[in-house]
Amino acid sequence: GAVVSQHPSWVICKSGTSVKIECRSLDFQATTMFWYRQFPKQSLMLMATSNEGSKATYEQGVEKDKFLINHASLTLSTLTVTSAHPEDSSFYICSASPPDRSKNIQYFGAGTRLSVL
Amino acid sequence: DQQVKQNSPSLSVQEGRISILNCDYTNSMFDYFLWYKKYPAEGPTFLISISSIKDKNEDGRFTVFLNKSAKHLSLHIVPSQPGDSAVYFCAAHVYNTDKLIFGTGTRLQVFP
Repeated sequence: GAVVSQHPSWVICKSGTSVKIECRSLDFQATTMFWYRQFPKQSLMLMATSNEGSKATYEQGVEKDKFLINHASLTLSTLTVTSAHPEDSSFYICSASPPDRSKNIQYFGAGTRLSVL
Repeated sequence: DQQVKQNSPSLSVQEGRISILNCDYTNSMFDYFLWYKKYPAEGPTFLISISSIKDKNEDGRFTVFLNKSAKHLSLHIVPSQPGDSAVYFCAAHVYNTDKLIFGTGTRLQVFP
């Protein structure tokens, strides 16, 4: 149980284009999903917290107009990198919290490697 | 400001022996600590956690120890197996939020 699917796993795009990444909880409903970014040899940095049916909460320094997050259902959250530039190239990973929040566990997708040319 | 630190980027251990992965933190507002394991091309998978009110939690070959006064926790794997070779992340849950703060990870290699 507690499977999170993330798609695509790898995307290459031209500078100036937009890229959408999907995150799905396959066997549980996730009222809260999270988007992280990881640079090489660094930790996972939380970008934003996504709550179903409401606006995402962005961490300090993360541009909300650049990284659009939509959490339209209890099993799907999307991250759109708008007008991508080479500095946006990174590893993006999502996670979801199951209904039982007592142990604060998040379940992660496999991540998306974005390369902007 | 790195609130969760894993100072050893890598660790190499012989199969059958104990692996000890360390993690230090600076924030007293953490109420839960979690360890995740990550294989290449996969997302982190939850391994074991511990509440800040406890000092030890054990699950099979995995034991996590918490020393609150030292703001230090460690993950013990015994006996270590080649399949344990992965990157291990320490994460801390911020009290009264949904947030997890991650360390930079330690790459464990278990050799025969």
